[in-house]
Amino acid sequence: AQSVAQPEDQVNVAEGNPLTVKCTYSVSGNPYLFWYVQYPNRGLQFLLKYITGDNLVKGSYGFEAEFNKSQTSFHLKKPSALVSDSALYFCAVRDMSNNAGNMLTFGGGTRLMVKP
Amino acid sequence: DSGVTQTPKHLITATGQRVTLRCSPRSGDLSVYWYQQSLDQGLQFLIQYYNGEERAKGNILERFSAQQFPDLHSELNLSSLELGDSALYFCASSVASGRKGGELFFGEGSRLTVL
Repeated sequence: AQSVAQPEDQVNVAEGNPLTVKCTYSVSGNPYLFWYVQYPNRGLQFLLKYITGDNLVKGSYGFEAEFNKSQTSFHLKKPSALVSDSALYFCAVRDMSNNAGNMLTFGGGTRLMVKP
Repeated sequence: DSGVTQTPKHLITATGQRVTLRCSPRSGDLSVYWYQQSLDQGLQFLIQYYNGEERAKGNILERFSAQQFPDLHSELNLSSLELGDSALYFCASSVASGRKGGELFFGEGSRLTVL
């Protein structure tokens, strides 16, 4: 079974500072990894994904994520945080082994608070 | 705007009742997924349909059922509602199913409150 862990319920960062939101995963096959963001009373918006290739993936709004196979991690990063980045962030994994479905399994979410 | 449309946006009903949530996927998307988001359970996968057929089932209660119609829209039926069913229900769609790396596109959700 596939699973995702986001160890921090909340991350606080000052505007202009770099931010990291952590994610670790567990799958039996190769992982496809995703980050989504949810603003209040809105649906989830896709930020970026890792399928194969370069371990550093760039996505929307200046976000990037680094895939680390040995540590089974896919941390979300941004060099300089904005107050408008404050939202709920979800990491998700799709297990690409033969018997897995196409669904995404989500982590519990991390609330990012960027203070001015 | 993701292109996924969900109705109704808000729904308030009583315990024991039955409701139907509707989802129209993005144009061209064949797969529809239903997720439940609650404060204590996070985002839980319920069920997936691909081109009218059930493709995967997650933590969906027997009181809940879903279907995907020939025009690809989907409905999630929730019956014998309990207080604990109060949650945000999301529909998402993607182009394909199976071993593909496509992302899911989410609707704005239907917020169900059971009193």
